[in-house]
Amino acid sequence: TQLLEQSPQFLSIQEGENLTVYCNSSSVFSSLQWYRQEPGEGPVLLVTVVTGGEVKKLKRLTFQFGDARKDSSLHITAAQPGDTGLYLCAGGGAGGTSYGKLTFGQGTILTVHP
Amino acid sequence: DARVTQTPRDKVTEMGQEVTMRCQPILGHNTVFWYRQTMMQGLELLAYFRNRAPLDDSGMPKDRFSAEMPDATLATLKIQPSEPRDSAVYFCASGFSSGEWTDTQYFGPGTRLTVL
Repeated sequence: TQLLEQSPQFLSIQEGENLTVYCNSSSVFSSLQWYRQEPGEGPVLLVTVVTGGEVKKLKRLTFQFGDARKDSSLHITAAQPGDTGLYLCAGGGAGGTSYGKLTFGQGTILTVHP
Repeated sequence: DARVTQTPRDKVTEMGQEVTMRCQPILGHNTVFWYRQTMMQGLELLAYFRNRAPLDDSGMPKDRFSAEMPDATLATLKIQPSEPRDSAVYFCASGFSSGEWTDTQYFGPGTRLTVL
């Protein structure tokens, strides 16, 4: 069974601060996705990383996939109240018959105070 | 703006009752996923279909849960009989698959189920 551990579970910060969320596993994933979920809605995909060591930037968000494709991080610079939400990482199976099957981490609840 | 739709959005029922949740995937998507989200377990995959055929339902309690795709525009998840431990938010997601790769999964708004 492939498991993903996210940390921290909860993060409460002030507007303008930086933060990093981590996603770790003992398993190798073919891809790693990050989602953001707001109350009453489904998760929305932010980014997909597929290559070990890959770094992707989305405005103030920086995503990194570990060299061994077992871990990932999400870094937010100068957080804003609009960044508040549940952040989920999800790993895609390493080939075979995964057909897009994802394993989700437990999530990190981020609250950014004005 | 294509979206996955789910009905009902909220369902309150009593233990032992049958519950049916419906999902309309985005037109053109050939893969449908059913997830369950709780505070304790997070987001768990229950079952998924490709081209209407079930690929994997190992995450689903077989004795009471069943998932079907009567046609390409409708996926259903049924619980019979329902139990209080089934209380959760159930999400449907759809995507396009080619070979062993599935493109972005688009999630619906979820059905919040409460079993009393």
